[in-house]
Amino acid sequence: EPEVTQTPSHQVTQMGQEVILRCVPISNHLYFYWYRQILGQKVEFLVSFYNNEISEKSEIFDDQFSVERPDGSNFTLKIRSTKLEDSAMYFCASTELAFYNEQFFGPGTRLTVL
Amino acid sequence: SQQGEEDPQALSIQEGENATMNCSYKTSINNLQWYRQNSGRGLVHLILIRSNEREKHSGRLRVTLDTSKKSSSLLITASRAADTASYFCATDANTDKLIFGTGTRLQVFP
Repeated sequence: EPEVTQTPSHQVTQMGQEVILRCVPISNHLYFYWYRQILGQKVEFLVSFYNNEISEKSEIFDDQFSVERPDGSNFTLKIRSTKLEDSAMYFCASTELAFYNEQFFGPGTRLTVL
Repeated sequence: SQQGEEDPQALSIQEGENATMNCSYKTSINNLQWYRQNSGRGLVHLILIRSNEREKHSGRLRVTLDTSKKSSSLLITASRAADTASYFCATDANTDKLIFGTGTRLQVFP
């Protein structure tokens, strides 16, 4: 069964460093998302992406964050200058059609900022 | 109070018993989805119920939706130790972003 994959599974970085989290959505899906979950807290929406553009972003998704679909398969989240409070589990999700379809989530990347 | 709050926060039962988790939300929705998360792992999609549906079944799962009360319930029948996980409801309110609840931690003892 097709699934969303994410790499790396765990990323440790120093504060101020740039990180790129990678996702490969399900191949026929057109809508892509990033969510994050700080340890012990609820899952929070970061950004949605469709047709090579950001559709919607949350307050969390400030200028330090960017997303890109550099080729036909990868979907990346870049954090330009990481802060301690960026430590969280980051989930990528994709769906075939917005609004009426299930969003399928990847296994997540655990980001630890030291 | 926030969109998507589950209760109870934690639930402990014996194998074979049924587990019921509830979710309440504030705004009108298109769909409500239930997800499961094993400790420190990813989110597994369980079931989606549309705003015009009242009940849906999938294997041992039964989901109800009451849009007049803005609430949903997830029933897991004949629970197993492997059902131990956190369960989240997620709603989409006129956009495709999901708003997650706080989750119910279910512990099923063998």
